[in-house]
Amino acid sequence: DIQMTQSPSTLSASVGDRVTITCRASQTISSWLAWYQQKPGKAPKLLIYKASTLESGVPSRFSGSGSGTEFTLTISSLQPDDFATYYCQQYSRDSPWTFGQGTKVEIK
Amino acid sequence: EVQLVQSGAEVKKPGESLKISCKGSGYSFTNFWIGWVRQMPGKGLELMGVIYPGDSDTIYSPSFQGQVTISADKSISTAYLQWNRLKPSDTAMYYCARPRSGWPGWFDPWGQGTLVTVSS
Repeated sequence: DIQMTQSPSTLSASVGDRVTITCRASQTISSWLAWYQQKPGKAPKLLIYKASTLESGVPSRFSGSGSGTEFTLTISSLQPDDFATYYCQQYSRDSPWTFGQGTKVEIK
Repeated sequence: EVQLVQSGAEVKKPGESLKISCKGSGYSFTNFWIGWVRQMPGKGLELMGVIYPGDSDTIYSPSFQGQVTISADKSISTAYLQWNRLKPSDTAMYYCARPRSGWPGWFDPWGQGTLVTVSS
C-alpha cells in the first residue's frame, strides 16, 4: 500500500503568514494528488487536484506543487477562514486508498 | 447543482445491523462512481470503498473488505453503506463523496456526513 505522510501534524501561525504543508508518498504517484480543507463538524472541501490545479472558487492564495513523491500545499497569506485541518489524498491506480493523516493549522 | 444528501444520525447497539444512505442529485447518477469515507472521532479520513451505480461494480479498500457492504439502487439514485453486526469501533462519521472524473480520482462533492454511534 502507498503511505502518505503529512508534516507537520500541527502548525501554529498568524494571520498574514505564509504557510507550507508537505505530503510525502511512500512510492511515486506522478501528480495524482488532491488537497482538502476540513473544518470541525463539516465535510472536507476540495482545494486542489492533480497536485497543482486550483479548484474553481478556491482563493488564489492556495497553491499546490510537486510530483513523484513530494508535494506541498502553500497558503500565501493566511486568513482567519483558513484555520482548519488539511488532508492530502493520493489516487494512484496502484493503490488509490490513502489520505494523509492531516495537518491542523491553529491560531498562534 | 450536484449534491449528495445523506441519511440522518444513528444510535445503535453492538451486534445490530445498519444501512445508511447517500442520495445523488443534479447529475447522471449511473455514470459516476461514489465512495464512502470513514472518520473516527478526532481522527483522519479513511476511504472504505467505491461503487459504480451503473453496473454495481464495487471495489473495497483492503482494510474494509468483508467488514461492510456497499450497494446502490440506481432507480432512486441512492448509494448505501451497510453493516451486519455493528461494533463499538464502528462509531464514526461516515461521508459519501463522488470522484469527479472517474475512479481513481479526487472527491467532489461530498455528502454532509452521517454520524453513527454504537454503544451498549
